[in-house]
Amino acid sequence: QVHLVESGGGVVQCGGSLRLSCAASGFTFSIYGMHWVRQAPGKGLEWVAFIRYDGSNKYYTDSVKGRFTISRDNSKNTLYLQMNSLRPEDTAVYYCAKHVHSGSYYGDWGQGTLVTVSS
Amino acid sequence: QSALTQPASVSGSPGQSITISCTGTSSDVGGYNYVSWYQQHPGKAPKLMIYEVSNRPSGVSNRFSGSKSGNTASLTISGLQAEDEANYYCSSYTTSSTLPYWVFGGGTKMTVL
Repeated sequence: QVHLVESGGGVVQCGGSLRLSCAASGFTFSIYGMHWVRQAPGKGLEWVAFIRYDGSNKYYTDSVKGRFTISRDNSKNTLYLQMNSLRPEDTAVYYCAKHVHSGSYYGDWGQGTLVTVSS
Repeated sequence: QSALTQPASVSGSPGQSITISCTGTSSDVGGYNYVSWYQQHPGKAPKLMIYEVSNRPSGVSNRFSGSKSGNTASLTISGLQAEDEANYYCSSYTTSSTLPYWVFGGGTKMTVL
């Protein structure tokens, strides 16, 4: 059974940094692409970033380019999101999700971790 | 990239059927059969309900079905049950300057009357 557990969220001041982690189990992590998706309080879902199974390609939504970096350690079955220069509008629950390549969708989700950026 | 367009809310009585639309463009919904739908109950993580326009993952009730016509995808829930009350989001694969990109709809609050 797929299990994704995010951690690392918390309260950070505007302009600060935070690193999120997503520990994966129950599947062969090293052969799946992975996403970060966020949800601001009371708002809808927003795709943030994607990394290929081997880390060779990374893609970002425009609003986080140059500030966020997605990475992975396949030896530790862990996905990361390094967030720098944080803004109040980055306040959200951040979910990691397993990518299903054949249909390009989010097959499984973690429970999310809350990031609050205070101004 | 713009978000896909969904109605803010829909409602129906138990046993009835409802349909939620998801309108995009020829660059996303209309250009690929990579539309998926997610159910989210308050305070919970999203759950995959439909993938590749009309496919149901194992474990999802056959009361949920998906379709697409042109640039608009639809999710239909038949035989409404109380536990179907939730927020529903569509998503599509697309590209931005030839790079992969994924977009969501704004979400639809589905209420069982």
